[in-house]
Amino acid sequence: SQQGEEDPQALSIQEGENATMNCSYKTSINNLQWYRQNSGRGLVHLILIRSNEREKHSGRLRVTLDTSKKSSSLLITASRAADTASYFCATVHGNNRLAFGKGNQVVVIP
Amino acid sequence: GAVVSQHPSWVICKSGTSVKIECRSLDFQATTMFWYRQFPKQSLMLMATSNEGSKATYEQGVEKDKFLINHASLTLSTLTVTSAHPEDSSFYICSARMGRQGTDTQYFGPGTRLTVL
Repeated sequence: SQQGEEDPQALSIQEGENATMNCSYKTSINNLQWYRQNSGRGLVHLILIRSNEREKHSGRLRVTLDTSKKSSSLLITASRAADTASYFCATVHGNNRLAFGKGNQVVVIP
Repeated sequence: GAVVSQHPSWVICKSGTSVKIECRSLDFQATTMFWYRQFPKQSLMLMATSNEGSKATYEQGVEKDKFLINHASLTLSTLTVTSAHPEDSSFYICSARMGRQGTDTQYFGPGTRLTVL
């Protein structure tokens, strides 16, 4: 079954606003990663958070992980038009493979 | 950063023909490569895991005789879709990983869009 299931949402925001998206998973994980995919392109790795970490920052990105709730969130602050993309979370399990969630489509309106 | 390329970026073929897609790690050696397929507006589904010099491990429901994977070197893996049919039309994405640990980052190729007429 697919792990790392985001809330199925398409988010449309104004440039400068913050964008928040969530991800939930079902089994224990080694780490959780967030990726961005521009339309018709490959994936770009954004950030990895380990199972023993609760929060991580990278530039305008902030990721949280709550292992008790089996959930993660990705916050993009001060969004830009170039942030328009689909965002996927992916979990790594004991078999060392990535399982992707459904993805969140984010549209940032200039 | 690590770069992974795919060739071709898109291909259109007739039903019944075979199509080969290449995945190359350009500036690092990839002990493991992965092949995914993605349908429009959907997530990536792992098809198979390919380790250099050994047979690929296919996910449940993926026909290994239909999707032939060869990881002949540390920088190249190929996916051949044999006797392609319209339902094989999809976006195929590969990724490459330097190590064998789940914490090692996977670097993704730009994808190959396959259209079978």
